[in-house]
Amino acid sequence: SQQGEEDPQALSIQEGENATMNCSYKTSINNLQWYRQNSGRGLVHLILIRSNEREKHSGRLRVTLDTSKKSSSLLITASRAADTASYFCATGGGSNYKLTFGKGTLLTVNP
Amino acid sequence: NAGVTQTPKFQVLKTGQSMTLQCAQDMNHEYMSWYRQDPGMGLRLIHYSVGAGITDQGEVPNGYNVSRSTTEDFPLRLLSAAPSQTSVYFCASSPRLYTGELFFGEGSRLTVL
Repeated sequence: SQQGEEDPQALSIQEGENATMNCSYKTSINNLQWYRQNSGRGLVHLILIRSNEREKHSGRLRVTLDTSKKSSSLLITASRAADTASYFCATGGGSNYKLTFGKGTLLTVNP
Repeated sequence: NAGVTQTPKFQVLKTGQSMTLQCAQDMNHEYMSWYRQDPGMGLRLIHYSVGAGITDQGEVPNGYNVSRSTTEDFPLRLLSAAPSQTSVYFCASSPRLYTGELFFGEGSRLTVL
């Protein structure tokens, strides 16, 4: 069963705008990760945030984690057409070897 | 480095046939896993391995076998293919055992008629 659920399912914006995607999960986690998948390709790891962290930055990406609300958000600033992809959150807990993925958010950035 | 290599990229099978999806990584990662991706279902874990000789089941293991005789290779076997196994299969590896970041292959698209 899916642990994380992304919201919205699809998002369409103009180049230069910011894109925000959300992820909610149900049980306690060790860390939460975000991945990107371009059409027809494998997933690429973007960023990992640990359960004791609240915010993390990587280039134009900003991830927040609120363990009290069991939610995370991914912000992509100044979007580019090349950011068009599906974005997935993935969660893992404690001594669990299993990383569980959500169903993804399809982001379309229009030039 | 090649990273994670999956073969074949595309395969069409008839119901009842068997086949093996190959996965190899050259990063000396201990952890390897197989996921399937279906429309509207996200990625679901089939089997995983935390080292040579050690495998375990994921969320949807039925109809699939795995083995891990070397650190580099983690093949996925379909014993008797069914139309419900039509999917895109991804192999992934990680340098860390406890839910570290995954490195994915490009996927193998399987159609079972």
